[in-house]
Amino acid sequence: AQTVTQSQPEMSVQEAETVTLSCTYDTSESDYYLFWYKQPPSRQMILVIRQEAYKQQNATENRFSVNFQKAAKSFSLKISDSQLGDAAMYFCASSSGYALNFGKGTSLLVTP
Amino acid sequence: DVKVTQSSRYLVKRTGEKVFLECVQDMDHENMFWYRQDPGLGLRLIYFSYDVKMKEKGDIPEGYSVSREKKERFSLILESASTNQTSMYLCASSLRGVGEQFFGPGTRLTVL
Repeated sequence: AQTVTQSQPEMSVQEAETVTLSCTYDTSESDYYLFWYKQPPSRQMILVIRQEAYKQQNATENRFSVNFQKAAKSFSLKISDSQLGDAAMYFCASSSGYALNFGKGTSLLVTP
Repeated sequence: DVKVTQSSRYLVKRTGEKVFLECVQDMDHENMFWYRQDPGLGLRLIYFSYDVKMKEKGDIPEGYSVSREKKERFSLILESASTNQTSMYLCASSLRGVGEQFFGPGTRLTVL
């Protein structure tokens, strides 16, 4: 079975600082996608960033960037200049056919 | 904007009841998904559908069935609800193939 592992159940960061959330995955597919989703408390899950595995360049969306290490099957998320609104559960996911495999999530706390 | 709606935010049912969870998307997406979210377990795929009347089992289909009679609507059915099906249920849709999934707000189901 394909798995996605997020080794940090909880992380904490101060406002304006940088934090990195870790994710490793296991897939047998040669062409796949990787995603980071954000789920704020009591709010809808939304996409933060995505990476196509065939692209070597790391994806970036404003303050969010990834470090994609294909050989190591690692896909970490870096949040720069953290804001209070970044507090949420973050889920890493890899594609598996039409569906996605999700990790167990990392709860990010942002302190003033 | 893609909108995915779920029929109820909160639902309380009795053991043995038949339960219907409805999901509707308004962007003509081909794929629709039902996930279950439990603390510490992340999101687990129950069923998905890549076309009308088509369905595929996910990782935890036992105790559930689905129906997709129209493209925009995907229903999750608990034939005889049990207490271990108390959970948050998330519906999602994606355009086609492998791509970003758009999530609904979730239904928190409690089975007493």
